[in-house]
Amino acid sequence: GENVEQHPSTLSVQEGDSAVIKCTYSDSASNYFPWYKQELGKRPQLIIDIRSNVGEKKDQRIAVTLNKTAKHFSLHITETQPEDSAVYFCAASIEGNTPLVFGKGTRLSVIA
Amino acid sequence: DSGVTQTPKHLITATGQRVTLRCSPRSGDLSVYWYQQSLDQGLQFLIQYYNGEERAKGNILERFSAQQFPDLHSELNLSSLELGDSALYFCASGTGENQPQHFGDGTRLSIL
Repeated sequence: GENVEQHPSTLSVQEGDSAVIKCTYSDSASNYFPWYKQELGKRPQLIIDIRSNVGEKKDQRIAVTLNKTAKHFSLHITETQPEDSAVYFCAASIEGNTPLVFGKGTRLSVIA
Repeated sequence: DSGVTQTPKHLITATGQRVTLRCSPRSGDLSVYWYQQSLDQGLQFLIQYYNGEERAKGNILERFSAQQFPDLHSELNLSSLELGDSALYFCASGTGENQPQHFGDGTRLSIL
C-alpha cells in the first residue's frame, strides 16, 4: 500500500521568510496530493491540492510542486505570517480509488 | 464552517463502555471517512463509506464499527473502550469516491 513520508517534523522560520515542507510517496499510481493545515484543537483544513497532470499550482502565498519521477511533492509558503503557525499534513491517493494516506505532519512555527 | 457536522463535540466516559459518534456530511457528498487522531499524532484512517456501502478499511479495531444510513449520515461505534482510545475522532466527506475531503470539527473522546 501507499506510504507517505513527510519532512521536517518541526520547522521554525522568521516572519516574512519562506517555509518548505517536503513529502515523498511510494505508490507510483498515486495521482492526487492534497495539503491540510490544522491549528491547535481544530479540524484539518484543505489549503491546496494538486493532481499528477500538473507540476505546480499556486494560490496567493502558497504553492505546491510535484515531481512524479522522483515521487515527491512539496509545499511552499512565502512571506510567512504568525497565523501560518500550525501543523501541516500532506497526503496521497489514487483519486477515485484509494483513501488518502497522510504524512505524520510538520509543526510550523512562525516567529514574529 | 466545512459543512460537515459531528456530534457530540466532547464525550467523557469510562473504560469498558460503548459510545456512538455521529457525522452528517456536506449536502451532496456521498462519501464519509472516519479518522482517529491521538495526541501529537497524525491522522489514522479508520474506514470509508460511499453511498451506504463500505468502501475501504484502514487501521480500525474489531471493537469499532461504523455504518452509513440512507440519508448518508454515518455513525462510528466504539465498544469495550480502553484508555488508549482517548483521541480526537474526525469525520470527513467528499462528493465522490476519494475526491477532496472536508473535515468536521471532530469529537474529542476522553476515557477515564
